[in-house]
Amino acid sequence: DIQMTQSPSSLSASVGDRVTITCRASQIISTYLNWYQQKPGKAPELLIYAASSLQSGVPSRFSGSGSGTDFTLTISSLQPEDFATYYCQQSYSTPWTFGQGTKVEIK
Amino acid sequence: EVQLVESGGGLVQPGGSLRLSCAASGFTFSSYWMHWVRQAPGKGLVWVSRINGDGSRTNYEDSVKGRFTVSRDNAKNTLYLQMNSLRAEDTAVYYCARDASSSRSFDYWGQGTLVTVSS
Repeated sequence: DIQMTQSPSSLSASVGDRVTITCRASQIISTYLNWYQQKPGKAPELLIYAASSLQSGVPSRFSGSGSGTDFTLTISSLQPEDFATYYCQQSYSTPWTFGQGTKVEIK
Repeated sequence: EVQLVESGGGLVQPGGSLRLSCAASGFTFSSYWMHWVRQAPGKGLVWVSRINGDGSRTNYEDSVKGRFTVSRDNAKNTLYLQMNSLRAEDTAVYYCARDASSSRSFDYWGQGTLVTVSS
């Protein structure tokens, strides 16, 4: 199975900050990498697919990059509604696997 | 509008069975792979299973192989997860999710249904 490792596991940031979350795959996955946002008590929502494509309706302050094994999710200017947990997920091969999550908290 | 609505969760004893349903609307259900993803309380997301559009192909995460069965009824626009021989570690919120096909991402999710395995 492909292991997905996110860092950091949590971070504290202020509104307006630039935030970067990284995700590393245990083997090459091309650009089969997706990012999700999950708020407490809610289902996850797709933010970025295929490493760098913005899902329809997602604000442009979210961006993704990377290929191979190393990927990044960037929030250019953190907004109050962005405080949540973020997960990466590989869809290169089954079983699809997720990172352990990165919780973004208010500083 | 795409909607996915899960049902069927509840409290079940270890070794018991439960069948989850996911009612889909707002899209051509039979054209999409569908998935089940679970999340234990306070934990991360874990992919459980998937099924292709006509139900002929399925895949499972290792810990549920031989115990869980995914199926679908395209006439009823409904996805199912039959869960047998349930264990305490199966306790989780179970989400159904649509596969976005070209990107192999989960573009729509249901609200989830809680399964609790406990005596």
